[in-house]
Amino acid sequence: GAVVSQHPSWVICKSGTSVKIECRSLDFQATTMFWYRQFPKQSLMLMATSNEGSKATYEQGVEKDKFLINHASLTLSTLTVTSAHPEDSSFYICSAKDSFPNYGYTFGSGTRLTVV
Amino acid sequence: DQQVKQNSPSLSVQEGRISILNCDYTNSMFDYFLWYKKYPAEGPTFLISISSIKDKNEDGRFTVFLNKSAKHLSLHIVPSQPGDSAVYFCAASGPNYGGSQGNLIFGKGTKLSVKP
Repeated sequence: GAVVSQHPSWVICKSGTSVKIECRSLDFQATTMFWYRQFPKQSLMLMATSNEGSKATYEQGVEKDKFLINHASLTLSTLTVTSAHPEDSSFYICSAKDSFPNYGYTFGSGTRLTVV
Repeated sequence: DQQVKQNSPSLSVQEGRISILNCDYTNSMFDYFLWYKKYPAEGPTFLISISSIKDKNEDGRFTVFLNKSAKHLSLHIVPSQPGDSAVYFCAASGPNYGGSQGNLIFGKGTKLSVKP
């Protein structure tokens, strides 16, 4: 089946630095990818929808200048957390939707970000 | 305003018995529903889905029931196995929600523990 590779699986960074998370669709082309964030004991919250070749669509309350999304190819979307702060520490997950019906939502393995 | 609700944060079941996980939704525009299973520090994995034109979908030990009038769905796992212990997320999608891509809206999840 469809596979989405997310890297890195975990990262620790210093406050004020930037971190890039990559999400790749390995065996299909993903014109649309989604970035979610999950706090402990909370649901996955959609942050933004990433569209290949165009600007991402951000959900209300998500700072687009802080969470930079780039979807330069049909198989790669990146999320960059800029000037990270401890409150950005969370679990970030990407998902991709291929051309099949809705069950084609495939998730990456997630990235645990810890900002110290 | 939570559009997808999983009111039981946890459920404990004896091995071999039936596990029933419940999910309620408020948006009548949702027309596709999915269940995901998630282990700690991993991305969700797809389990089973159901379209709003159906009221039941079965796949092996997993059966999803949809009651549109009550805006309620449930996931039945029978017989339950210790390996089923995980957090289960209910998700909903609609053709017009979030634009043509139809992103997913997740509940908060229910932690299932299956005891040997």
